[in-house]
Amino acid sequence: GAVVSQHPSWVICKSGTSVKIECRSLDFQATTMFWYRQFPKQSLMLMATSNEGSKATYEQGVEKDKFLINHASLTLSTLTVTSAHPEDSSFYICSARDIRAGPYTEAFFGQGTRLTVV
Amino acid sequence: QKEVEQNSGPLSVPEGAIASLNCTYSDRGSQSFFWYRQYSGKSPELIMSIYSNGDKEDGRFTAQLNKASQYVSLLIRDSQPSDSATYLCAVNTGTSGTYKYIFGTGTRLKVLA
Repeated sequence: GAVVSQHPSWVICKSGTSVKIECRSLDFQATTMFWYRQFPKQSLMLMATSNEGSKATYEQGVEKDKFLINHASLTLSTLTVTSAHPEDSSFYICSARDIRAGPYTEAFFGQGTRLTVV
Repeated sequence: QKEVEQNSGPLSVPEGAIASLNCTYSDRGSQSFFWYRQYSGKSPELIMSIYSNGDKEDGRFTAQLNKASQYVSLLIRDSQPSDSATYLCAVNTGTSGTYKYIFGTGTRLKVLA
């Protein structure tokens, strides 16, 4: 199956600093990638849809100035959590869909990034 | 109304039994449906995808879709303790150019040895 690599797997940062998370599709190209956040014992909440070469589409309630998304190429999207605070501590997961497979097909997930803000 | 609904469980079944997981969705225009399995602390992994009404079988797993009832289910036959995980139902929804995947809250399955 398609491989999505997310880096780093975990990160601890100080309150007020910024953290960048990378999501790469290793063996396919993806015009669209998705960023999710998951709090303990809760489901995945879609934060934004990242589109290659254009602005991301954010879900209602997600601060676009706090969660900066850049999708600079067909294989890389980044999420930057700016001015992180303890309440931003969560499991962040990206997913990507193969550009060749069509809009209705499955998306594949990265391994996730556990962010802890202290 | 939530877009994708699942019973949170836990659903406990004995080893070797059939586990039945259910999911309903609100967007009638949804085109594709997926079941993911998520172990604690890990990211989801795809188990099944289904696009048309009826049943789709893959090994011990069978997905069922009924678009008229807006209902998707997953059956796991001969359940094993290693199947113990949270099962997430996902629906591909939206319009051209804005398709996205919405997840249910997940059903926690426990297979008892």
